[in-house]
Amino acid sequence: QAVVTQEPSLTVSPGGTVTLTCGSSTGTVTSGHYPYWFQQRPGQAPRTLIYATSSKHSWTPARFSGSLLGGYAALTLSGAQPEDEAEYYCLLSYSGVYVFGTGTKVTVL
Amino acid sequence: EVQLVESGGGSVQSGGSLRVSCAASGFIFSDHYMDWVRQAPGKGLEWVGRIKNRANGYTTLYAASVRGRFTISRDDSMSSLYLQMDSLKTEDAAVYYCVRLTLVVERSNYYYMDVWGKGTTVTVSS
Repeated sequence: QAVVTQEPSLTVSPGGTVTLTCGSSTGTVTSGHYPYWFQQRPGQAPRTLIYATSSKHSWTPARFSGSLLGGYAALTLSGAQPEDEAEYYCLLSYSGVYVFGTGTKVTVL
Repeated sequence: EVQLVESGGGSVQSGGSLRVSCAASGFIFSDHYMDWVRQAPGKGLEWVGRIKNRANGYTTLYAASVRGRFTISRDDSMSSLYLQMDSLKTEDAAVYYCVRLTLVVERSNYYYMDVWGKGTTVTVSS
């Protein structure tokens, strides 16, 4: 089974910008992996932020954006808010089997 | 309001069985695919499996870690999703979330995860 890797932790200043990445052990991440990004605040269920690389849900704040960057899927947070402090998980599709990334803890400090 | 409410979690011994359920409301359940995702204590998320809708033959897909032990089913008349877990192992202990998938109609149609339940906790003791 593929392994999907993320940075273990990142820190961003309030109002600052941070980019999280999501890599695949099988090689380049493409739109064919339908990359997702989920946010999970402490003690809460996850919620979907981004799907299919860059599509947003109605509840996704405009400061979050998804892209493909240098062979990785990427989530960029521009203008970080205190409420963005959370764990972020990516998810990649491998022909009908889905693998979550290891998660990135984002601290807003 | 769209809601997914999991139930049926509890404590079971290793080798035992348990069935968890997910009650859906606020949308046409039969139109959607449904997934189960789990999270072991203090760990990350793990995709467990999927059941497609009637139009797609109720096809099921499973993660390698549960294939042959877990069975996903649904009852569209009851707007309910089920996860039957047999031959449970201690590593199956987790919070189990049900997740709705919704169709996106574009050049290539696909379903995406949009709504999550709050989860139900399964404990497996040795």
